[in-house]
Amino acid sequence: GNSVTQMEGPVTLSEEAFLTINCTYTATGYPSLFWYVQYPGEGLQLLLKATKADDKGSNKGFEATYRKETTSFHLEKGSVQVSDSAVYFCALSDHGSGNTGKLIFGQGTTLQVKP
Amino acid sequence: EAGVAQSPRYKIIEKRQSVAFWCNPISGHATLYWYQQILGQGPKLLIQFQNNGVVDDSQLPKDRFSAERLKGVDSTLKIQPAKLEDSAVYLCASSLRGPTNEKLFFGSGTQLSVL
Repeated sequence: GNSVTQMEGPVTLSEEAFLTINCTYTATGYPSLFWYVQYPGEGLQLLLKATKADDKGSNKGFEATYRKETTSFHLEKGSVQVSDSAVYFCALSDHGSGNTGKLIFGQGTTLQVKP
Repeated sequence: EAGVAQSPRYKIIEKRQSVAFWCNPISGHATLYWYQQILGQGPKLLIQFQNNGVVDDSQLPKDRFSAERLKGVDSTLKIQPAKLEDSAVYLCASSLRGPTNEKLFFGSGTQLSVL
C-alpha cells in the first residue's frame, strides 16, 4: 500500500544552519506530494506541494523537489530561523485509478532551532 | 476568514465511557475529514465526507467509532465505548472540493486521554 517515511527526529540546528529533512514514499499510482507544518499550539498547515515528477514546491524559503526516480521529496532550507521550530510532516495524495486521493502522512520530524 | 473550529480542546475520560467531538469546517468547504494522530505518529484518516455523504471510512473502527455530517456542514465524531488505545489528538480538516492537489485546512484538534 501507499506509505510515507520520514527521517527520525528531533533535528536540532543552530540559527542560519542548512536544513534537510528526508522523505521517501511508496505509491501505486501517481501521487501528489506535500509538506505540512505544525507550529506549537497550532493546527497543521500546508507548507508546499508538488503535483508531478521534477516539480519543485517552495514557500517561506523552504523547497522540495519531486524525484520520481528516487521516490523522494526532501525538504530543504538554506538558513533556518528560530521561528521555523515546528513539526514537519511529509504526505502524499494518490489520485490514481480507484483511489480517493486521501492524504497519507509520514510520522513527522521535529525541528528545533536554537539562537 | 474563520478557520476550522473544533471542540472541546481537551477531554479526559475513563475506558468504556463514551465521548463526542464536534467540528465546524470553513464555510463553503464541501469536503470534511477526521484524522486520528497518536503521539509520535502522523495523522491517520478515519473518515472523509463529501457534503453529507461518506467517501472513505475504510480505517474507521466501526464497532466503536461513528461520525455524521448532517446537512453537509458541521460534523460530530463519537467513540463508544472508548479504549485506552484511543488516546490521541483528533483532527478535523476541510477543503473546498477534495484532497487531490488541494490544500487541507486543519483545526487545532481535540486531545483525548483515556484512563
